[in-house]
Amino acid sequence: ETGVTQSPTHLIKTRGQQVTLRCSSQSGHNTVSWYQQALGQGPQFIFQYYREEENGRGNFPPRFSGLQFPNYSSELNVNALELDDSALYLCASSLGGASTNEKLFFGSGTQLSVL
Amino acid sequence: DQQVKQNSPSLSVQEGRISILNCDYTNSMFDYFLWYKKYPAEGPTFLISISSIKDKNEDGRFTVFLNKSAKHLSLHIVPSQPGDSAVYFCAAASYNQGGKLIFGQGTELSVKP
Repeated sequence: ETGVTQSPTHLIKTRGQQVTLRCSSQSGHNTVSWYQQALGQGPQFIFQYYREEENGRGNFPPRFSGLQFPNYSSELNVNALELDDSALYLCASSLGGASTNEKLFFGSGTQLSVL
Repeated sequence: DQQVKQNSPSLSVQEGRISILNCDYTNSMFDYFLWYKKYPAEGPTFLISISSIKDKNEDGRFTVFLNKSAKHLSLHIVPSQPGDSAVYFCAAASYNQGGKLIFGQGTELSVKP
């Protein structure tokens, strides 16, 4: 059973650029959630995808968008990068869609630096 | 608006002693609470959870206590071990917001031999 994998592990971009982060969910999991963790803070919910549909969104602007594929892997896209977007981006997978009883399995994250 | 707060950024405990990590929340609609542990360069890993209908849940050395009237929960680790040194996040969720976890800022626990 493979765990949640994220790529790349580190990324440096400049302000105004666009970035795509990728996540492969744990085998058998159909739900993927994305979180942003700024330095010294807890993870903040960006959005969740369940069976290829967005299933909830946090307080993030539309330039944060996502996608889930038929194999349940997912992408997070961020357009028009800002300095404050520098953070660790965590992907988490779970089985069960909207159930809050399902514990999340996190990847190791992508560390994004915006210069 | 910080709905989940961990007011202690760090905690240092001697090996073998009890570690108590605290968490406060403001939203009485939360139905479920979880604790995650995070080592450097790794993602958070699930530790233990508790439903709002319970006041205690135990799993080995880890016990979570929930005081709904005070909107407070705590994680007790006993006995503490050096391998427990990590950042601990408390998180809360509502059934009507399925899957969206609200995390606290984290408490860095250091267990000294």
